[in-house]
Amino acid sequence: EAGVAQSPRYKIIEKRQSVAFWCNPISGHATLYWYQQILGQGPKLLIQFQNNGVVDDSQLPKDRFSAERLKGVDSTLKIQPAKLEDSAVYLCASSLATGSGNTIYFGEGSWLTVV
Amino acid sequence: GNSVTQMEGPVTLSEEAFLTINCTYTATGYPSLFWYVQYPGEGLQLLLKATKADDKGSNKGFEATYRKETTSFHLEKGSVQVSDSAVYFCALSERGYSTLTFGKGTMLLVSP
Repeated sequence: EAGVAQSPRYKIIEKRQSVAFWCNPISGHATLYWYQQILGQGPKLLIQFQNNGVVDDSQLPKDRFSAERLKGVDSTLKIQPAKLEDSAVYLCASSLATGSGNTIYFGEGSWLTVV
Repeated sequence: GNSVTQMEGPVTLSEEAFLTINCTYTATGYPSLFWYVQYPGEGLQLLLKATKADDKGSNKGFEATYRKETTSFHLEKGSVQVSDSAVYFCALSERGYSTLTFGKGTMLLVSP
């Protein structure tokens, strides 16, 4: 079974530029998550989708971050304009559904460096 | 709000030594508890989980017991291997929800 796919794996941009990350979840998984992992910290949830609807985006910095999940499958996370403190690994994850019995599967992450 | 506290690393051990990584949590209600592992260059993988008090999660020789009275979920392994070198994350999810709250992670380094 294919896992969660993410691209690009690595990206270096200058501050104030924009960047977009793409995620393809495990086939059949209705729930998709984007987490931000800053070096030395645990992952922090940015946004959670159930199919193509947003369940939780309370920690998404909406002045610069946006995310969408068209047709309830692939998702894109965009940052515009980027700040130095956005340097982090952006993890996409998916699960069959919401609910505490569902295992969350993570992709390998997209590493962003803002200079 | 919910939070997870892990012991700081790195934890440095020789092969075949006993491992303990401490994890305590603060949560409203009755959470599910997890340990995830991140090997170098790879994504997070679920290692084990427990969903109610006194449950013991186990996998690949690792074990953790859900202790409600001490709000803890310490990870243990009787004999570590070099291949266990990784970062270990303790996490929780509120009852009824899948969203995870993570600790900061503990790096484990095992030498031959």
